[in-house]
Amino acid sequence: DIQMTQSPSSLSASVGDRVTITCRASQGISNYLVWFQQKPGKAPKSLIYAASSLQSGVPSKFSGSGSGTEFTLTISSLQPEDFATYYCQQYNTYPRTFGQGTKLEIK
Amino acid sequence: EVQLVESGGGLVQPGGSLRLSCVASGFTFSSYSMNWVRQAPGKGLEWVSYISSSSSTIYYADSVKGRFTISRDNVKNSLYLQMNSLRAEDTAVYYCVRDGWLEYFDYWGQGTLVTVSS
Repeated sequence: DIQMTQSPSSLSASVGDRVTITCRASQGISNYLVWFQQKPGKAPKSLIYAASSLQSGVPSKFSGSGSGTEFTLTISSLQPEDFATYYCQQYNTYPRTFGQGTKLEIK
Repeated sequence: EVQLVESGGGLVQPGGSLRLSCVASGFTFSSYSMNWVRQAPGKGLEWVSYISSSSSTIYYADSVKGRFTISRDNVKNSLYLQMNSLRAEDTAVYYCVRDGWLEYFDYWGQGTLVTVSS
């Protein structure tokens, strides 16, 4: 199985900050990576697919990059609604595997 | 508008069974592969099972293989998860999730909570 490792596990930031979350795959997955945002009590919502393509309706403050084994999610100009937990997931092979999540909290 | 609505969750004793359902609307259900993903309380996301559009291909996570069965009814626009021999560690919110054309999880239901406890 492909292991997905996110860092950091938690992150404190202020409104207006720019933050970056990293996701590493245990083996190459090309660009078959998706980023999700999850708020408490809600289902995850896709933000970025194919490592760098913005999901329809998602603001351009979210951006993704990477290929192979190393990927990043960047969120610019943080707003209160962006404080949530973020997950990466590979869809190169089954079983589909997720990172452990990064909880983004307000400083 | 794509909608996925799960039902069937509840409290069940260890060793018991439960059947989850997911009714889809707003898209041509028979054209899409589907999945179940779960999330234990306060924990991360875990993929559980996959079924192709025609039911010809099915996959399971090792943690549920031999105990859970995924199925679908394309006439009723419904996805199912039959869960047998339930364990405490199966306690989670179970989400019905669509595989988009690009094969990533593009739409999620609101989830249904399964609690396995005596």
